[in-house]
Amino acid sequence: AQSVTQLGSHVSVSEGALVLLRCNYSSSVPPYLFWYVQYPNQGLQLLLKYTTGATLVKGINGFEAEFKKSETSFHLTKPSAHMSDAAEYFCAVSLRTGFQKLVFGTGTRLLVSP
Amino acid sequence: DSGVTQTPKHLITATGQRVTLRCSPRSGDLSVYWYQQSLDQGLQFLIQYYNGEERAKGNILERFSAQQFPDLHSELNLSSLELGDSALYFCASSVGGTAPTDTQYFGPGTRLTVL
Repeated sequence: AQSVTQLGSHVSVSEGALVLLRCNYSSSVPPYLFWYVQYPNQGLQLLLKYTTGATLVKGINGFEAEFKKSETSFHLTKPSAHMSDAAEYFCAVSLRTGFQKLVFGTGTRLLVSP
Repeated sequence: DSGVTQTPKHLITATGQRVTLRCSPRSGDLSVYWYQQSLDQGLQFLIQYYNGEERAKGNILERFSAQQFPDLHSELNLSSLELGDSALYFCASSVGGTAPTDTQYFGPGTRLTVL
């Protein structure tokens, strides 16, 4: 069965600092990988996804993530945090066959201080 | 705005009652997914419908049921409600229903409080 582990339920950074949110997956076959963001009182929004091809994926709002098969990781980064990045971030996986059933991690709340 | 609408925004009810949550997908999307987000269980997939037919089932309780109508809107019915059913219920939609790479667009959610 697939599972997703997000290290750190809360991450705090200063505005302008590097953002690094960690995600590791467990799956017998490398799955498809997703990062979603949830702003307060809103639904989830897709930031980026990895399906095939280049392992460095660029998403919206300056975020990117790199798929590392050897480390079973898909960490999310942004070079310079902005106050508007404060939100909850979810990593998710889906099997490569059949329907899309997203399995989500427990989420990481990003706090950005001035 | 994702284009997915959910009603109502908030719902407060008592244990043992039955409620219906409604979702309208984005124009052109054929699939609807339902998720439950709670503090103890996190974000969990409940069920998917594609063009009116059930496509996939996740951790959905027998007390819960869903359907997708010919106009593609969907309803999630929750019955014999328990305190533990209090959660945020999200609906998402996607264009297709079989490709695991489809992007799902989430609605703003319905917050259910069971007293």
